[in-house]
Amino acid sequence: AQTVTQSQPEMSVQEAETVTLSCTYDTSESDYYLFWYKQPPSRQMILVIRQEAYKQQNATENRFSVNFQKAAKSFSLKISDSQLGDAAMYFCAYRSEGGADGLTFGKGTHLIIQP
Amino acid sequence: GAGVSQSPRYKVAKRGQDVALRCDPISGHVSLFWYQQALGQGPEFLTYFQNEAQLDKSGLPSDRFFAERPEGSVSTLKIQRTQQEDSAVYLCASSLGILAGAPYEQYFGPGTRLTVT
Repeated sequence: AQTVTQSQPEMSVQEAETVTLSCTYDTSESDYYLFWYKQPPSRQMILVIRQEAYKQQNATENRFSVNFQKAAKSFSLKISDSQLGDAAMYFCAYRSEGGADGLTFGKGTHLIIQP
Repeated sequence: GAGVSQSPRYKVAKRGQDVALRCDPISGHVSLFWYQQALGQGPEFLTYFQNEAQLDKSGLPSDRFFAERPEGSVSTLKIQRTQQEDSAVYLCASSLGILAGAPYEQYFGPGTRLTVT
């Protein structure tokens, strides 16, 4: 079974600064997908960014980018130019390439943005 | 519809009562997932449907939990004889499909917060 670990229960960053959220995972599979989801206090989970394991290039979506290290089984999220609206719980998630198992989530990191 | 909807948003049940939680997925989405999110934790997978077929129910914590999607659209998660440990947010998600090689995004509903007293 796959596991996802987020070792930072809470992170704080000044508005406009850059912050990196850590995620490691354990799997014996070679093909899979990794995701970062954002869950604001309203509870609606929103996809931030995805990475296919077979792609060497790190995914980027505007101010959000990942550092995917397949050998190290590490998948960190970098948020540049942090904004107040970025404040939320962030969850790292794993999905098998075959895909029928649903997502495996980490415990989340609570991101606080200091104005 | 515009997004995944769930009802009720909040449910308080006395221990031992049965509850039914509803999920309306995005129209045309083949796959539907249920997750349980305990306070301060990440969501945990409960079960998965492809159309009306329940292909994986390995995450259901006990035989008190039952899910159905009889016509391949709306789904209901039923919990019988609720216990205090069932208190959690129950999230529903839908996606276009779930095929090998296709990272179809899962769209989540707002969840139902169940409190068992």
